[in-house]
Amino acid sequence: DAGVTQSPTHLIKTRGQQVTLRCSPISGHKSVSWYQQVLGQGPQFIFQYYEKEERGRGNFPDRFSARQFPNYSSELNVNALLLGDSALYLCASTKTGTGAVPFSGNTIYFGEGSWLTVV
Amino acid sequence: AQRVTQPEKLLSVFKGAPVELKCNYSYSGSPELFWYVQYSRQRLQLLLRHISRESIKGFTADLNKGETSFHLKKPFAQEEDSAMYYCALMRAGANNLFFGTGTRLTVIP
Repeated sequence: DAGVTQSPTHLIKTRGQQVTLRCSPISGHKSVSWYQQVLGQGPQFIFQYYEKEERGRGNFPDRFSARQFPNYSSELNVNALLLGDSALYLCASTKTGTGAVPFSGNTIYFGEGSWLTVV
Repeated sequence: AQRVTQPEKLLSVFKGAPVELKCNYSYSGSPELFWYVQYSRQRLQLLLRHISRESIKGFTADLNKGETSFHLKKPFAQEEDSAMYYCALMRAGANNLFFGTGTRLTVIP
């Protein structure tokens, strides 16, 4: 089975530009989350989507947005890029059981990430 | 608010020696605690979670609510254990993880 797949793997952008990162969850998983990992730090939660609805948001500015498509894939968009947005962006997927949130009890699987460098 | 603290950024042990990676947390409720591992050039993957109470690759971790700790232990370190280890917390009823800053473990042959 394919794991969580992300694209692109690496990209370089200029300050002020916009970037779109893509993620495909594990087949059968309906929930996708995004994390930002700055060098030397642990991953930090940005968004979580389940069944195309936003179910959680971390402490990130409105320049960050995301969406989930009917096939459960997801995009993370960052506008007006700053140097500080340079990081590894991780996508994670979760297989939800029947019933609503909580996701507790479900394993969170991570992709290999997209390395974003802002110059 | 919640916080996960991993006091050691780097930890080196000799092969066959015991290893303990420390994790302390602060959270007013009843959290779920996890250890994730990232081997060189591999993706972040779940090592173990406290509710499973299982041993994975010889590692164990016990949740100590009194000391708010979730230290990761292994009695005899192996070279293949060299990796980056992250402790993470999930709040009750939540759907996302709060990570510590990680500890890089190096097992010396």
